[in-house]
Amino acid sequence: DADVTQTPRNRITKTGKRIMLECSQTKGHDRMYWYRQDPGLGLRLIYYSFDVKDINKGEISDGYSVSRQAQAKFSLSLESAIPNQTALYFCATRETGGNGYTFGSGTRLTVV
Amino acid sequence: GENVGLHLPTLSVQEGDNSIINCAYSNSASDYFIWYKQESGKGPQFIIDIRSNMDKRQGQRVTVLLNKTVKHLSLQIAATQPGDSAVYFCAPPSGGTGKLIFGQGTTLQVKP
Repeated sequence: DADVTQTPRNRITKTGKRIMLECSQTKGHDRMYWYRQDPGLGLRLIYYSFDVKDINKGEISDGYSVSRQAQAKFSLSLESAIPNQTALYFCATRETGGNGYTFGSGTRLTVV
Repeated sequence: GENVGLHLPTLSVQEGDNSIINCAYSNSASDYFIWYKQESGKGPQFIIDIRSNMDKRQGQRVTVLLNKTVKHLSLQIAATQPGDSAVYFCAPPSGGTGKLIFGQGTTLQVKP
């Protein structure tokens, strides 16, 4: 089983719909991150969390919200999806004080 | 703000040759730098990191060089193989948050 699991892997949704992307990890890491990747723009940080009670906005948090339900789970929601949120979304984890980040396989989201 | 950039968006090499991927950064406060490899359809995968008090670190077939004077680092891949074909990112963590600052990446293409 993957250390960081993202569901769904692919999703097509309509403009205005609410959608949730889920991430779970078995690494036991405290820190979890949500990034989006667009062609030619690299990865940009949406939200990050250092523990269950700690949520922080990243560079591009507008239009998104997150929930850290447990140490192992960090979900990303699009309250009202719009086409420019079409992208590849990655969840990542990191151990506090550690150097290495572990990424999930990504969720490809298309908003039509 | 912090910024990272890779010098070439695409690098094409012959199988068996050595590859050098370059990266410039602006944030001098990073304690370490990480290189990631992202294969098509997958999340970024940790390759190697280097602490800011080092100027060279070697892994299996990879070497990272850090020049703090000119704020430049490079990833050298020896005897490049088809499996090395991917997008490569250098990503210095940002201060206390640990969030990664990704550039656009360099696409390495290995010709048989």
